[in-house]
Amino acid sequence: EIVLTQSPGILSLSPGDRATLSCRASQSVSSSYFAWYQQKPGQAPRLLIYAASSRATGIPDRFSGSGSGTDFTLTISRLEPEDFAVYYCQQYGSSPLAFGQGTKLEIK
Amino acid sequence: QVQLVQSGPEVKKPGSSVKVSCKASGGTFRNFAISWVRQAPGQGLEWMGGVFPGVGAVSYARKSQGRVTITADESTMTAYMELSSLRSEDTATYYCARAHDTSGALGYWGQGTLVTVSS
Repeated sequence: EIVLTQSPGILSLSPGDRATLSCRASQSVSSSYFAWYQQKPGQAPRLLIYAASSRATGIPDRFSGSGSGTDFTLTISRLEPEDFAVYYCQQYGSSPLAFGQGTKLEIK
Repeated sequence: QVQLVQSGPEVKKPGSSVKVSCKASGGTFRNFAISWVRQAPGQGLEWMGGVFPGVGAVSYARKSQGRVTITADESTMTAYMELSSLRSEDTATYYCARAHDTSGALGYWGQGTLVTVSS
């Protein structure tokens, strides 16, 4: 069973800053089956990145994903006010599927 | 446009069962896996299990096995998640989510169903 650990737990930044969120897997994950989600209060999660680096439909290009093996990164190049939310990583290549515990991106 | 519409909120007694439905519209129901994900108040996302309607294959998280039953009815394009022997720690919002392509990333989500377990 793959365990995903996200860091940091909370990230305090200002609009316009660059955000770097990390996710480490307990064993190697195929990059074809790695995703990032954004969740805002009271809403369902939204798919941002799939296959480690492909943006989902309608996701702005300030969001980018990278990584392979056990280390993956979500980068938001220039934070907009609407980007402050909780972000989850996920592997969906092997059962059981797994989510990281989340990184809360808050306004500094 | 794929939409997933879940059944309404539930209040249940400890020890009872709950069955949440997830009706899909748009797209091809049988070709994409549907997962159930829950989120306790203030907590993260927990994958409970999933079903591949086209072949009827079901997979469960280890924590869910024994208490969770996930099914899908192709004729009504509806997936179900039944959780038995409810306890207070099962109080959570339950989401269904569909893969956005054959790889399995969860691109479409239901609105969530709040299940409250309280005596």
